[in-house]
Formats: sequence, C-alpha cells, structure tokens
Amino acid sequence: DAGVIQSPRHEVTEMGQEVTLRCKPISGHDYLFWYRQTMMRGLELLIYFNNNVPIDDSGMPEDRFSAKMPNASFSTLKIQPSEPRDSAVYFCASSFGQASLYGYTFGSGTRLTVV
Amino acid sequence: SQKIEQNSEALNIQEGKTATLTCNYTNYSPAYLQWYRQDPGRGPVFLLLIRENEKEKRKERLKVTFDTTLKQSLFHITASQPADSATYLCAFFSGGYNKLIFGAGTRLAVHP
Repeated sequence: DAGVIQSPRHEVTEMGQEVTLRCKPISGHDYLFWYRQTMMRGLELLIYFNNNVPIDDSGMPEDRFSAKMPNASFSTLKIQPSEPRDSAVYFCASSFGQASLYGYTFGSGTRLTVV
Repeated sequence: SQKIEQNSEALNIQEGKTATLTCNYTNYSPAYLQWYRQDPGRGPVFLLLIRENEKEKRKERLKVTFDTTLKQSLFHITASQPADSATYLCAFFSGGYNKLIFGAGTRLAVHP
C-alpha cells in the first residue's frame, strides 16, 4: 500500500480564494482524520469521519472550513474564502478503529500558504 | 482544561547515549497513549502504544513508561544514533474526549 496520499504537497493562494485539499486513505481503514499543524498550536484535530460519515467537526475553526468524504477512498477539506491565518500544514490520517492500537497513518501533508 | 506538555527545548545528546523525553498531562484520564516520530516535511509516524495498565513497553531500542500516578510518560531511545534525530510527539486518547490529542513535540538531535 502506498500509504495515505495527500495532494497537493504545496499550495500558495491569494486571500479570498477557495482552496481544496485532497486525501486518499489507506484501503480498509474505517476512520479518517484531518489535522492542522502550526508552530503556535501544534497538531490540531479539525474533523474526523467513520465509514464516510462525519462524527466530530468541533475542531473546524469556522464556517469557512468544510470537509466531505463521498466514498471510502477519498476526502476533501475546503476553505472558502481563505485567509492568511489559515496558512499551516494540513495532514490527513487514517486508521482501522478510532482508538487504533496500531496508531494513525499520516500523509505527508499539504503546506498551505495564503498571501 | 486538558493539557499535554512536552519539553519545548530541543534535547541534544551524544551518539550512543540514552535519550529520555518526557510527556506530562493534566485533567486527563487517558486509556492509553501513543508516541510518534516526525521528520521535517513529513507526517508523524506511529512508534509505540502503551495502555494505562501497562507500566512499560519496549520495541527494539525504544522503551516507553506510563505512570498514571505522576501523570507522566517517558520515552527512551537507547544507544542513540544520528538517524534518531527528529521531533517526537506524544498523544493521548481518552474515551471521554473521544479524540487523539497531540503534545507539541520535543526535538531530539543526536550528535556523532
């Protein structure tokens, strides 16, 4: 398995533009997580899905953020409109079971810069 | 509020020595915790999991301890190598909170 695949690896956009981040989890994993990492706040959980259904989106900063998981092999995180404070590295992770005894498998992340 | 604290200062050690990283938590009753390694420009990689009823867990040169009285976990790397240089993150999962919360991480630098 190629692991969790995220695209793009880097994204530079202007303030006010829509940004879409993509994730392909590991086949067979039933949980998918979106995290954001910054120097100031570390790794923050934004939202997670179980069997494609959003379970907890309490970490989503505001209504500008939305996430979908239309099927077991694909998820998107959208920011519209983007703001400079959204600049961060966004990670997608998947696991078999939420409290995974085998840990979460993270993708390589998308580095987002909003100018 | 729930907190996980890791030493924010980098840990510098000599090759061959044992590195010890600390993770403290407050306002938690974790069922178990996990340790991850993160290299620059990469996502965290899972290393070890330890349950609350386990005092110690080992995997090759890695050892993790879990003291629920002290509310602390220690992560040891024995016979450290320059390739062990990375940021190490601890994470707690508490059923009550229903999510995996990460500490800020401690950067380890192993010098030849």
